[in-house]
Amino acid sequence: GAGVSQTPSNKVTEKGKYVELRCDPISGHTALYWYRQSLGQGPEFLIYFQGTGAADDSGLPNDRFFAVRPEGSVSTLKIQRTERGDSAVYLCASSRTFWGDDTDTQYFGPGTRLTVL
Amino acid sequence: AQSVTQLDSHVSVSEGTPVLLRCNYSSSYSPSLFWYVQHPNKGLQLLLKYTSAATLVKGINGFEAEFKKSETSFHLTKPSAHMSDAAEYFCVRLSGGYNKLIFGAGTRLAVHP
Repeated sequence: GAGVSQTPSNKVTEKGKYVELRCDPISGHTALYWYRQSLGQGPEFLIYFQGTGAADDSGLPNDRFFAVRPEGSVSTLKIQRTERGDSAVYLCASSRTFWGDDTDTQYFGPGTRLTVL
Repeated sequence: AQSVTQLDSHVSVSEGTPVLLRCNYSSSYSPSLFWYVQHPNKGLQLLLKYTSAATLVKGINGFEAEFKKSETSFHLTKPSAHMSDAAEYFCVRLSGGYNKLIFGAGTRLAVHP
């Protein structure tokens, strides 16, 4: 596709449930990023992939959060035992390159709004 | 710690008047800096980026920003506001490591007729 796509656009779940959020990056982009944006705040970094591997997962808040990118394209963010505090917009971004090229641009998807009741 | 500070959470201007959104960064070197815009229910869009090639950076939709190392600032300006400029604006820096972005808290721009 022309841009980064994310599904679903909205997800409502109950506390304690498991959710998966999907990101489809721009074709050919090797770098993929997940961010979380809580209400009234700027996005915060969660995890970054280069190809299939997670190069930096320092932003994941705890071990309930996990992300994969098995074929180096689509990525899934997985949240176990959801809590009300996980409610936020989860943003995905991709870029053409990563290491050493700090002029590259991250292109963002529209986000998935997660609501935990 | 690396950070960016947006000095105003809300800015309100009249259509046709200048826009100034202020941003300061913390660093002992010149980082890569960006401004992104977020319209309601839409994704983040890059307005412009500074990567040390020139201190005055021109972006899309008539926006520009000036990098001032002596003031550690990267303020966003536009000579004449349009109604369509109403949105949330984020000042962003690139981290020193793997290209993760560090966002400011955002400035909500309102444009009145």
